[in-house]
Amino acid sequence: QVQLVESGGGLVKPGGSLRLSCVASELSISDYYMSWIRQAPGKGLEWIAYISSASTTIHYADSVKGRFTISRDNAKNSLFLQMNSLRAEDTAVYFCARDLDRWKGYPGPVNVWGRGTTVTVSS
Amino acid sequence: DIQMTQSPSTLSASVGDRVTITCRASQTISNYLAWYQQKPGKAPKLLIYEASKLQSGVPSRFSGSRSGTEFTLTITSLQPDDFASYYCQQYSNYSPLLTFGPGTKVDIK
Repeated sequence: QVQLVESGGGLVKPGGSLRLSCVASELSISDYYMSWIRQAPGKGLEWIAYISSASTTIHYADSVKGRFTISRDNAKNSLFLQMNSLRAEDTAVYFCARDLDRWKGYPGPVNVWGRGTTVTVSS
Repeated sequence: DIQMTQSPSTLSASVGDRVTITCRASQTISNYLAWYQQKPGKAPKLLIYEASKLQSGVPSRFSGSRSGTEFTLTITSLQPDDFASYYCQQYSNYSPLLTFGPGTKVDIK
């Protein structure tokens, strides 16, 4: 089945860390920009990070810069998000997403999404 | 950073209505704008990209347009499956950061 599957979410205390993973099944991510996008409960979508196909271009939203690290392993068709110094406001469903077009020099719209993994930051 | 605004935040409509949602960018983004539909508990779905290009498989009742920094998503005849939230997203190469609009919820009148 063609899909992205996120894992690694859970309940963590403020200041704690989590590592999210996203594995692609029956589709390739190696030639595409990949993003992490989150959605807090009852709120809108927030893009938080993207990474180019060769990991040469990475950008973060200001809300997570310095705390989160995006990475990928194309050989394993996988995307990761290391989240440190977690805060209550990081509580959200985290989606990984693949760009619409391959081999682009800049990120674009995304058309393949995972179902999301839930991160809850609470004491 | 490029900021995106959307209006209205909520829209009540009936089946068969023509619905228009507006998204404005704080600076020029050329045509680098996408529209997504999201239903509760589900991942978003890409509807429109490059302001007016219909994603494969999306019904033709959805359309997008641009006038300067103002973008419009139009649903010509609202169907029961269209009651959802809609988000715009800019992906302009004028800024390294991607931004979503705050969203518009379309509910049943």
